[in-house]
This record gives sequence, C-alpha cells and structure tokens, in this order.
Amino acid sequence: EVQLVESGGGLVQPGGSLRLSCAASGFSFSSYWMHWVRQAPGKGLVWVSRINTDGSTTAYGDSVRGRFSISRDNAKNTLFLQMNNLRAEDTAVYYCGRQLIGIAEDYWGQGTLVTVSS
Amino acid sequence: QSVLTQPASVSGSPGQSITISCIGTSSDIGRYNYVSWYQQHPGRAPKLIIYDVTNRPSGVSNRLSGSKSGNTASLTISGLQAEDEADYYCSSYTTRSTVVFGGGTKLTVL
Repeated sequence: EVQLVESGGGLVQPGGSLRLSCAASGFSFSSYWMHWVRQAPGKGLVWVSRINTDGSTTAYGDSVRGRFSISRDNAKNTLFLQMNNLRAEDTAVYYCGRQLIGIAEDYWGQGTLVTVSS
Repeated sequence: QSVLTQPASVSGSPGQSITISCIGTSSDIGRYNYVSWYQQHPGRAPKLIIYDVTNRPSGVSNRLSGSKSGNTASLTISGLQAEDEADYYCSSYTTRSTVVFGGGTKLTVL
C-alpha cells in the first residue's frame, strides 16, 4: 500500500525556519517525481515545489522561490522541504504528493500544519 | 503566481449533470495537455480524478469526464450523487516549468 506521511510542522515565529519531511513507503520512491502543495486554512490549493527522481531538477512557485528548498534522500525514501524566512502567509497545511504522470499527483499524504505567528 | 480561474460554486440536483470550467492562458492550459482535476472533501487530502485532460485514474467513476478547448479546461460530472458534493480544483503545467492550481469550485448537490 502506498503511504506518504508528512511531519515537521508546528508553530514558528516570522523569519524563522522549519524543515518538513515526507516518509514514503509501499512503492519505489526513487522512481517518482514528488511535489509539495499547501493549503491555507479555508483556502484553495497552492503548488509549492517539485523534484525529479534523482534530485537534480527542481522547480518552485513564485511565492516561495528563494526561501524554500526541496530535496530528497532516496536511500531513506524521504522527501524534504526546507523553509526559511517564514512569513505569516506561509501558514498552511503542507501536503506531499507522488507524481503519477505529467503533473498529476495520484497519492497524497495527510498533511502537516505549519503556523507562522509571533 | 497566476491562478487558473474557476467558478466559486456550482450546484445541481441528484441525477443532473454539471460542468466546472477552468480558464487559463496560452502559457498553461492552452500550451500543454497536462491538466489535472482533484476532488477534496472537508478535512481530507485531495484526490486525483482526471489527469492529462481526459484520463481517469483506476477506480474513478466514469460519470466524471474532462475536456479542453483552447485555454479552457472543463470537468463534467453526470448523474450527480450526494457523494459528489466536495471542492474541485484544476491544475496545469506552465511554460515556466511550474504548476498552477485553480482557485477551487464548491459543488453543492441540492
């Protein structure tokens, strides 16, 4: 069974940093591109970032480019999102997703909540 | 970051059909056949229901169908059922090698 489990969320002050993790199981993690998507409370989905299979190619949404960094450890079947210089508007549930084909994400984790507040 | 344009809400009665539009530009929907649709129930993670404009993942009802014309993609749900009540999001690949989502549409089954 495919499983994605996010962790690392929590309360952080503006300007602070946080590192999210996404533990993958039930599939060949190293064979799939992976994404991060976020959703602010009561709002819509916003694409954050994606990474190719070996970590050599990454892309970011405009609102996080230069502050967030996506990476992966294929030996540990884990996806990461390093978030720096956090702002109040980064408050959201962060989901990791497995890319099926194209840009479609066929499996998602349950999400981890990041709250940026003083 | 650009957002694809979706209606905020649509509604229909059980058994009826509804269509949700997703308006983009020539830099996203109009350029690629990489349009996906997701269904999200309250408090749940999104679920992929359409990928590459028209394809349904295994297990998704054939009452759901996707299409595209120019810069606009559409999701049609036929034979509405109570369980279809949810939020729906479209997404597309862009010429900047990024992904963009629509603002979401709340479907109410009357």
